[in-house]
Amino acid sequence: NAGVTQTPKFQVLKTGQSMTLQCAQDMNHNSMYWYRQDPGMGLRLIYYSASEGTTDKGEVPNGYNVSRLNKREFSLRLESAAPSQTSVYFCASTEGGRGGAIYFGEGSWLTVV
Amino acid sequence: QKEVEQNSGPLSVPEGAIASLNCTYSDRGSQSFFWYRQYSGKSPELIMFIYSNGDKEDGRFTAQLNKASQYVSLLIRDSQPSDSATYLCAVMAAGGTSYGKLTFGQGTILTVHP
Repeated sequence: NAGVTQTPKFQVLKTGQSMTLQCAQDMNHNSMYWYRQDPGMGLRLIYYSASEGTTDKGEVPNGYNVSRLNKREFSLRLESAAPSQTSVYFCASTEGGRGGAIYFGEGSWLTVV
Repeated sequence: QKEVEQNSGPLSVPEGAIASLNCTYSDRGSQSFFWYRQYSGKSPELIMFIYSNGDKEDGRFTAQLNKASQYVSLLIRDSQPSDSATYLCAVMAAGGTSYGKLTFGQGTILTVHP
């Protein structure tokens, strides 16, 4: 039972490089999320997809793009990485509706130098 | 005003005491409320969720929701050193343009000392 799978787990990028973080869930969930976590900042929402075919901006969308490829997969792309994007990124999913538990991936540690 | 705010902490309690964690939210239409625990270097893990006014108990944990005051809290009874972690409050929007939006507070660091 994989749950939410994120790849890669660790990545070092140079400023200006691009990369895509992949996320897949096998629970047939409707809603998926991307968060970043910096020390003392909690989890800040980057983008979310309430259902297949929709995506919406969260609190900190600048510098990121997302694709809800299908119901299972939700990718996060950094087009031109900046040192300010050094962070831990978490993908999450939930069935949606009231009280549905939210499941997290194990996180992706990204360093931009 | 932040959408979800938690008491700033850090919070330190002795073993066996009650730890009280608080959270306020700004969207009156929010429908679901979650408490997560996060250990350093790990992903958040769900403690419990609540969506009706009142109390919900699960073992040593009690979540309290007051929608009129836009306030949700988590009480941890008989605190143990293993409860030392960061606690995150999360709020799910109900509908409209924010349908499905899940917002977290900044977290409260709890330390339980023997």
